[in-house]
Amino acid sequence: AQKVTQAQTEISVVEKEDVTLDCVYETRDTTYYLFWYKQPPSGELVFLIRRNSFDEQNEISGRYSWNFQKSTSSFNFTITASQVVDSAVYFCALTSGGSYIPTFGRGTSLIVHP
Amino acid sequence: ETGVTQTPRHLVMGMTNKKSLKCEQHLGHNAMYWYKQSAKKPLELMFVYNFKEQTENNSVPSRFSPECPNSSHLFLHLHTLQPEDSALYLCASSQGAAGLVPGANVLTFGAGSRLTVL
Repeated sequence: AQKVTQAQTEISVVEKEDVTLDCVYETRDTTYYLFWYKQPPSGELVFLIRRNSFDEQNEISGRYSWNFQKSTSSFNFTITASQVVDSAVYFCALTSGGSYIPTFGRGTSLIVHP
Repeated sequence: ETGVTQTPRHLVMGMTNKKSLKCEQHLGHNAMYWYKQSAKKPLELMFVYNFKEQTENNSVPSRFSPECPNSSHLFLHLHTLQPEDSALYLCASSQGAAGLVPGANVLTFGAGSRLTVL
């Protein structure tokens, strides 16, 4: 069985603050993939990043960075110097065991105030 | 058109109506998905089709009836719905089982159909 936990239901910050969204996963498989998606108010989920279980390198893309730690089964997402346009619901997801169907977390709603 | 297109974007129906939601993708993907997203609830996977064959039915009530005539089109037929079925219905597509590494599939989502049942 696989599971994704996003314990933070809603986070509210002021523009330019840094914010970290937590994601903890569970799987018995040694090969798996982790994803982050963003859902802005328009409704469409947009893919942000994918990592496989064999690549623990952290990744930075502009103001976004991801910290993958197998030791704590976490794949956290940090937004540096947040902006109002970052306001959205962010979903963490997991595929494992060769399945192509992801398990999604409950999502974290991020509200960035001007 | 690129991406995943869902129509209609908004739908209001009575409990005795019959309506359908449509999803279309021209990405060359082989798998298509229906998700339900209710307020304050997580994404709920409803159905998955891979190469037009249903591979997942997540205990969805029979008042929701999916149809996948080909790999590019997916429908969700609705009849005798309940007010609690009001939600955002999201369609997605991916390479599915035919992908080089199925687990690495990225889903492409449509903007959703906002359904209100009166």
